[in-house]
Amino acid sequence: GQNIDQPTEMTATEGAIVQINCTYQTSGFNGLFWYQQHAGEAPTFLSYNVLDGLEEKGRFSSFLSRSKGYSYLLLKELQMKDSASYLCAVMDSNYQLIWGAGTKLIIKP
Amino acid sequence: NAGVTQTPKFQVLKTGQSMTLQCAQDMNHEYMSWYRQDPGMGLRLIHYSVGAGITDQGEVPNGYNVSRSTTEDFPLRLLSAAPSQTSVYFCASSYSMGTGANVLTFGAGSRLTVL
Repeated sequence: GQNIDQPTEMTATEGAIVQINCTYQTSGFNGLFWYQQHAGEAPTFLSYNVLDGLEEKGRFSSFLSRSKGYSYLLLKELQMKDSASYLCAVMDSNYQLIWGAGTKLIIKP
Repeated sequence: NAGVTQTPKFQVLKTGQSMTLQCAQDMNHEYMSWYRQDPGMGLRLIHYSVGAGITDQGEVPNGYNVSRSTTEDFPLRLLSAAPSQTSVYFCASSYSMGTGANVLTFGAGSRLTVL
């Protein structure tokens, strides 16, 4: 079966760095997405990786290793507004998205 | 641009009632989809459409119908509501499905409770 695993919840301190991991087993691979979802709101797109390596976008970076079925989202200089759930999704061989359950990130002052 | 507009935001139904969740997008996106989101689970695809007149089933289609008569609109119909359909529903669209960079734009969500 297809499976996406990410931690349920993480806590970090304002101004610090946090890494949210995502491991996957899917039927084929056409890219990995990270979305941010604030409580009670819709998911919004953060990043897309299809090749191995690190993609940097401001305070957020996303890494992919296809051989290990592994990705992480790195958030630097954490701000209170970064408190949200972070959703990992993999596009399979049929171009369908398989979603993880999301990681709830709590930022403490 | 309004993006993806979903209505209603909240709805309470009794078991056996039917209703339609509306979804409209103004971005000329070919691909539209409906997801449900339940606590502790990933988003699950209900139905999707790759263009006007074309619909297909996702992972959890039972109890739901869709139609796509125009590019803009993609309503989701609950035929006979059941408590198991209590959930938050999201409509999402993108330019296409058949590419890797299929970035979805989501509507604000519809919270449905079935008693």
